[in-house]
Amino acid sequence: NSKVIQTPRYLVKGQGQKAKMRCIPEKGHPVVFWYQQNKNNEFKFLINFQNQEVLQQIDMTEKRFSAECPSNSPCSLEIQSSEAGDSALYLCASSLTTNTEVFFGKGTRLTVV
Amino acid sequence: AQSVTQPDARVTVSEGASLQLRCKYSYSATPYLFWYVQYPRQGLQLLLKYYSGDPVVQGVNSFEAEFSKSNSSFHLQKASVHWSDSAVYFCALMNTGGLSGKLTFGEGTQVTVIS
Repeated sequence: NSKVIQTPRYLVKGQGQKAKMRCIPEKGHPVVFWYQQNKNNEFKFLINFQNQEVLQQIDMTEKRFSAECPSNSPCSLEIQSSEAGDSALYLCASSLTTNTEVFFGKGTRLTVV
Repeated sequence: AQSVTQPDARVTVSEGASLQLRCKYSYSATPYLFWYVQYPRQGLQLLLKYYSGDPVVQGVNSFEAEFSKSNSSFHLQKASVHWSDSAVYFCALMNTGGLSGKLTFGEGTQVTVIS
């Protein structure tokens, strides 16, 4: 079973509100990923880190999305001004390297009302 | 560009029967391949992985998958399903030439096990 911890499990925000979710990767895993899974089971890669450095990221949706993985603190993904289209399951995942299996957390389900 | 296709959106199977879920990929070389399962209101759980070598790989809960380079496929199988196998199954590909470890997912197959 995965040891990637995501909080909160559920998040409800009004349009325009800030939404922040956190992730503690599996111990010893320096590579961390964020994916968005929509209701049609489509996955969108958002960003990943190795230690605290960004490896790759999409054009973070008009800059509303930001993420970080500070040393000795949980990683986080924040949406500055939530929109209805942001409603989705946000999955954090971690791995030992960029060429090994990836383990996912249970996700944070964001609902924007 | 790489892609993963799972041609069966939904599969219904009787408890105790065998199950095969199809996965086809498009990639210029031999990728790393994975099967994940997602239970309701859960994240993704890794079932098995293929990197190289023996094309038949064993996973958790008696699942196995067979890689075929000639067919660009990585089909998942289970000899005898249990009601608890009802879930959504995703096939995923990792770019072996990249530096990010990013996964490309198929559309998923919803499996329903009936008694």
